[in-house]
Amino acid sequence: SYELTQPPSVSVSPGQTATFTCSGDKLGDRYSLWYQQKPGQPPVLVIYQDNKRPSGIPERFSGSNSGNTATLTISGTQAIDEADYYCQAWDSGIVVFGGGTKLTVL
Amino acid sequence: QPQLQQWGAGLLKPSETLSLTCTVYGESFTGYYWTWIRQPPGKGLEWIGETIHSGGTNYNPSLKSRVIISMDISKNQFSLKLSSVTAADTAVYFCAWSNPQYAVGGTTRAFEVWGQGTMVTVSS
Repeated sequence: SYELTQPPSVSVSPGQTATFTCSGDKLGDRYSLWYQQKPGQPPVLVIYQDNKRPSGIPERFSGSNSGNTATLTISGTQAIDEADYYCQAWDSGIVVFGGGTKLTVL
Repeated sequence: QPQLQQWGAGLLKPSETLSLTCTVYGESFTGYYWTWIRQPPGKGLEWIGETIHSGGTNYNPSLKSRVIISMDISKNQFSLKLSSVTAADTAVYFCAWSNPQYAVGGTTRAFEVWGQGTMVTVSS
């Protein structure tokens, strides 16, 4: 079965750039998506089709996908960005999520 | 975009059947994938499966033998049944809608709208 791997945690200071990685076999050959989830809330889609933002998602969120790794970047990280971030892909009719990365804004 | 409101029993005993329903407001069923996703306490997201208005379904292979996702178009609802539950099925369960404009001709799913979540606990 297809697997996506994410590091468990990332820490940044306010105003810095937060980078999240998601690794999977030939992930760059399929679309990656990213979700933000705050405690007690459903996830929010922040990136789709590797690098597109849904309406209402701030420009500081960006994405890329190549080779075996998809990347989510938050530029100028704010305290409100502290959350868990999950990557997602689709493999042979099955939706796959990464294990999630917890962002701490110090 | 639709709005989703879900409901169902929150406490089950081992071996019982989990049953949840999601009501869709503001959108018809036609042409969309309707999905269930769960999240055990303190853990990540797990896709359970999906149904489309034609009645087709896709399930997570790890749950396929115990899952049924169905829809009632007359009530604008879709439902999840998970049989023979154990403590490992304890989780928050979400219903979700994939926006086809984000999903590139069905080659992926993009969950833009989610239900509020239902905590289901399995305990004897």
